[in-house]
Amino acid sequence: KNEVEQSPQNLTAQEGEFITINCSYSVGISALHWLQQHPGGGIVSLFMLSSGKKKHGRLIATINIQEKHSSLHITASHPRDSAVYICAVGLIQGAQKLVFGQGTRLTINP
Amino acid sequence: DVKVTQSSRYLVKRTGEKVFLECVQDMDHENMFWYRQDPGLGLRLIYFSYDVKMKEKGDIPEGYSVSREKKERFSLILESASTNQTSMYLCASSLPIGLGGNTIYFGEGSWLTVV
Repeated sequence: KNEVEQSPQNLTAQEGEFITINCSYSVGISALHWLQQHPGGGIVSLFMLSSGKKKHGRLIATINIQEKHSSLHITASHPRDSAVYICAVGLIQGAQKLVFGQGTRLTINP
Repeated sequence: DVKVTQSSRYLVKRTGEKVFLECVQDMDHENMFWYRQDPGLGLRLIYFSYDVKMKEKGDIPEGYSVSREKKERFSLILESASTNQTSMYLCASSLPIGLGGNTIYFGEGSWLTVV
């Protein structure tokens, strides 16, 4: 079993829909990251959080430490949000390295 | 803005060739990482370095070596390229945890094909 599990693996939605991507982990963490990867390869860090909630534009990330669960929400989704979203955790031990989820491929149709 | 620059976006090499992938970051980060990304396998850590001349094996170091002679530069070396090393390689850097967090910054990726 992977230490970091994401769901769903693939998600297709219509423009304007509210999107939720989930991440569960089974280990103690120092922080959780949400990353975005567009076709072509480059990865951008969206959020790093260790508690509570963060918001940036139409993106919201939440984390529940007790339940070992995080969600990434996208409001008013747009085709340019189409990308792979990756959850990654920094472990308490070996915290300099990240453990990655498999990613969620999001496609937003116009 | 932090910039992580990988020297080559696309490379085609022959089996047995020695391959160098270079990565440079401009934010004085201590930590630098090399990952490979394959369909269905996600990102896997090859090596990381937490200081000049320091390195630590990741999850899949076999067939690779690294060099970090200067803080800003981290090189990945394939001593004798093989077809199973065809992949997308990503370099990343970050501050150490405890020093302003550990937001990680990635390069654009290098697509390597070994024929």
